[in-house]
Amino acid sequence: EADIYQTPRYLVIGTGKKITLECSQTMGHDKMYWYQQDPGMELHLIHYSYGVNSTEKGDLSSESTVSRIRTEHFPLTLESARPSHTSQYLCASSRGKQGGTGELFFGEGSRLTVL
Amino acid sequence: AQSVTQLGSHVSVSEGALVLLRCNYSSSVPPYLFWYVQYPNQGLQLLLKYTSAATLVKGINGFEAEFKKSETSFHLTKPSAHMSDAAEYFCAVSEAGGSYIPTFGRGTSLIVHP
Repeated sequence: EADIYQTPRYLVIGTGKKITLECSQTMGHDKMYWYQQDPGMELHLIHYSYGVNSTEKGDLSSESTVSRIRTEHFPLTLESARPSHTSQYLCASSRGKQGGTGELFFGEGSRLTVL
Repeated sequence: AQSVTQLGSHVSVSEGALVLLRCNYSSSVPPYLFWYVQYPNQGLQLLLKYTSAATLVKGINGFEAEFKKSETSFHLTKPSAHMSDAAEYFCAVSEAGGSYIPTFGRGTSLIVHP
């Protein structure tokens, strides 16, 4: 059973508010990821991290930012939420290159609705 | 560069019928291949993975997939569909010796009719 947790699971918020989606894993994985999932199911990689103090932008441009100060924690922040940010956000982690295959362990997701 | 194509955004089967979800990949090096399942309002869960051992891979819930290098395919099958199999299914590929960041297909929604 994967040990990766996301909070909040559901969030409804007004335009212009700042929000932070939390993601924590207890598996000691080096790599962590944020995906945005649209209503058509497709997953878009928006941020990833190879380890502490490492953050990279993914394939889909996003106005969100991330930080990786601790191995287990990879929060995502939107400084000023807009209705276009309404989506499901999925956090995942994986082992580093040693022993890694690209297998991801996912959290249960955070569904954000911006009014 | 790696890529994944899942044929069919929706597949509909009757309960008890064969399930076949298609996945073709492109990779410049030997690939690692994965199938994930996503139930409503959940994250993705690994069904099975191919990591260069046996080409026929068995996963959870009675699913299996066969790696066919000549066809660059990794199709997912289950002999007999159950109502509980209704979900979204994603195929993914990562490259051995590369960044190991996987590329996902667009997903296939499996609908099971009683």
